[in-house]
Amino acid sequence: AQSVTQPDIHITVSEGASLELRCNYSYGATPYLFWYVQSPGQGLQLLLKYFSGDTLVQGIKGFEAEFKRSQSSFNLRKPSVHWSDAAEYFCAVGAGGNEKLTFGTGTRLTIIP
Amino acid sequence: NAGVTQTPKFQVLKTGQSMTLQCAQDMNHEYMSWYRQDPGMGLRLIHYSVGAGITDQGEVPNGYNVSRSTTEDFPLRLLSAAPSQTSVYFCASSLRGTGSGNTIYFGEGSWLTVV
Repeated sequence: AQSVTQPDIHITVSEGASLELRCNYSYGATPYLFWYVQSPGQGLQLLLKYFSGDTLVQGIKGFEAEFKRSQSSFNLRKPSVHWSDAAEYFCAVGAGGNEKLTFGTGTRLTIIP
Repeated sequence: NAGVTQTPKFQVLKTGQSMTLQCAQDMNHEYMSWYRQDPGMGLRLIHYSVGAGITDQGEVPNGYNVSRSTTEDFPLRLLSAAPSQTSVYFCASSLRGTGSGNTIYFGEGSWLTVV
């Protein structure tokens, strides 16, 4: 069975600084990987996804993520954060076919002026 | 295009009461699912459906029932509410499963408190 670890529960970053959120997965085959963002009181919005091909994936809102098979990682990055990026971020892994998404426990991002 | 619509958004139940969380999607998606979100635990799958008439259990199915009589609707029933079911519930849908490269779309959530 697949699993996802987000080792950082809470991260605080200054506005304009760079950001990297960590995600490690466990899955026996090639995983399907996702990053979702959740603003307070809202549902989840897909930032980006990786299925195959180029290991550097571009998403919405200026985010990107890099799939590193050797490290079983799919870290999310943004070169310069904005106050509106404050939210909770979830990494998820999906298996083939019609199987479920397995989510990490999330990383809460706080932006300070 | 409404996407995934959940009702109610907020609900308070007494222990032992039953209720149904409604979920509807207008995207003709085959795959629908229910997750619950608890602090520090991320989202966990309760039940899912790969098409009308077909449902299956997820990671935490106990205390919940589902049915899928139409493509559009996927209600989640709490049979006898317990305080442990206090959570935020999300309905999700996708054209097919994650293995087909499809995006899963989430509703805005239903906040349920059981007292």
